[in-house]
Amino acid sequence: RKEVEQDPGPFNVPEGATVAFNCTYSNSASQSFFWYRQDCRKEPKLLMSVYSSGNEDGRFTAQLNRASQYISLLIRDSKLSDSATYLCVVTIVSSNTGKLIFGQGTTLQVKP
Amino acid sequence: EAQVTQNPRYLITVTGKKLTVTCSQNMNHEYMSWYRQDPGLGLRQIYYSMNVEVTDKGDVPEGYKVSRKEKRNFPLILESPSPNQTSLYFCASSLRGASTDTQYFGPGTRLTVL
Repeated sequence: RKEVEQDPGPFNVPEGATVAFNCTYSNSASQSFFWYRQDCRKEPKLLMSVYSSGNEDGRFTAQLNRASQYISLLIRDSKLSDSATYLCVVTIVSSNTGKLIFGQGTTLQVKP
Repeated sequence: EAQVTQNPRYLITVTGKKLTVTCSQNMNHEYMSWYRQDPGLGLRQIYYSMNVEVTDKGDVPEGYKVSRKEKRNFPLILESPSPNQTSLYFCASSLRGASTDTQYFGPGTRLTVL
C-alpha cells in the first residue's frame, strides 16, 4: 500500500464547477500536510498548507481529518487556469528533518 | 530573484557515462533535496541535506551520490547511469527542513539514459 494515495483522475469538469479531491495517508505519525500544484511536468509549487482546523484561500479550501487519515482539497468556481496536477504531500517529522512523501497527483482538466 | 536553478535542463546520455546535475539556490536555505518523478509513482526523494556536509538517503538513493560542500549547491552525481535512471529530476530547497517549510523546486532536469 502506498503511503500517500490519490485518485490520479483525470477529473474533467466544466468552468464554474466545484470539484473536490481526497488524499489518504497511511502513517498516523504524519504531522504536516500540504497541497502542491504542478503544471504539465513543470516544477511543483506550494498551493496551500493544510491545518487541523481547515483553511481557505480564495476559491480553495483544504481540510484534514486525522481520525480517518485523509486530507481534501475543494476548488469552487473552477477556472480554465486551474487545470493542473494537484499533489498531496505529507511529512513525517523525525527530529527537525522531516521526510516529505508525495502522492502521485490528481489531474484536473477544466473545460470551457 | 529568489530561485533554484538546475543544469542541464535536458540530457541524453549512454549507459555508464558519469554525469552530474547541478543544483543551486540563492535563498540561503539550509535544507536541499533531490527527487525523481516517474509516471504513476509520483515524486520520490533520492537524497537530502540538512546543511553543509550533512547529507542523508531518501527513499531511492541507489545509483546516486550527492555532496554539499557549500550551502548554495547540491549536485547530484550518477557514477554509472543506467536506463532505469531515465526520469525527470527535481532539486528543492527550504529554509530549515521538510516539516513545515515551503519547498522551492528547481525547473527540473529531464534525463534519458540509452
